[in-house]
Amino acid sequence: EVQLVESGGGLVQPGGSLRLSCAASGFTFSNYWMTWVRQAPGKGLEWVANIKQDGSEKYYVDSVKGRFTISRDNAKNSLYLQMNSLRAEDTAVYYCASRGGNLDNWGQGTLVTVSS
Amino acid sequence: EIVMTQSPATLSVSLGERATLSCRASQSVSSNLAWYQQKPGQAPRLLIYGASTRATGIPARFSGSGSGTEFTLTISSLQSEDFAVYYCQQYNNWPPLRTFGQGTKLEIK
Repeated sequence: EVQLVESGGGLVQPGGSLRLSCAASGFTFSNYWMTWVRQAPGKGLEWVANIKQDGSEKYYVDSVKGRFTISRDNAKNSLYLQMNSLRAEDTAVYYCASRGGNLDNWGQGTLVTVSS
Repeated sequence: EIVMTQSPATLSVSLGERATLSCRASQSVSSNLAWYQQKPGQAPRLLIYGASTRATGIPARFSGSGSGTEFTLTISSLQSEDFAVYYCQQYNNWPPLRTFGQGTKLEIK
């Protein structure tokens, strides 16, 4: 059974940093693109970033470019999202999802709240 | 950026009736279109990919159609568990910058 489990969310002040993790199991993690998607409270889904199987290609939505970094460790079956210079508008539930096109498996999400 | 527009924002339909949800792309995405269902407090679930292929375990009452810029998700004979928010998402472009529609809330009439 495919499982994606996010962790690392929490309350952070504006301008602060946070690192999200996603532990994958039940599939060959190194064979797939991986994606982060977020959802602000009461709002729709927003694609944030994705990363190629070997980590050699990474893409971001404009609003997080230069502030967020997606990475992965295939030896640990883990996906990461380093978030710096956080803003109030980054407050959301962050989901990791498998694949880079259609997203066939999702984690349960981790809540990031940016507030003073 | 490819903009995805869903309509209507809210759709009220009775149990057992058919629901038709629309999604339009600002430029052609070929058949690289997925549909997701999200219930309150849950992660989204993939329903349809390739515009018309049901994901594993998705009931046959869900069907997708369309290509290019116009897409439709049809749910025949609505069940109580189908009332949720539905999102379309394109995955056609290169570089792979993905975009979602704003969602359609399907509610019981």
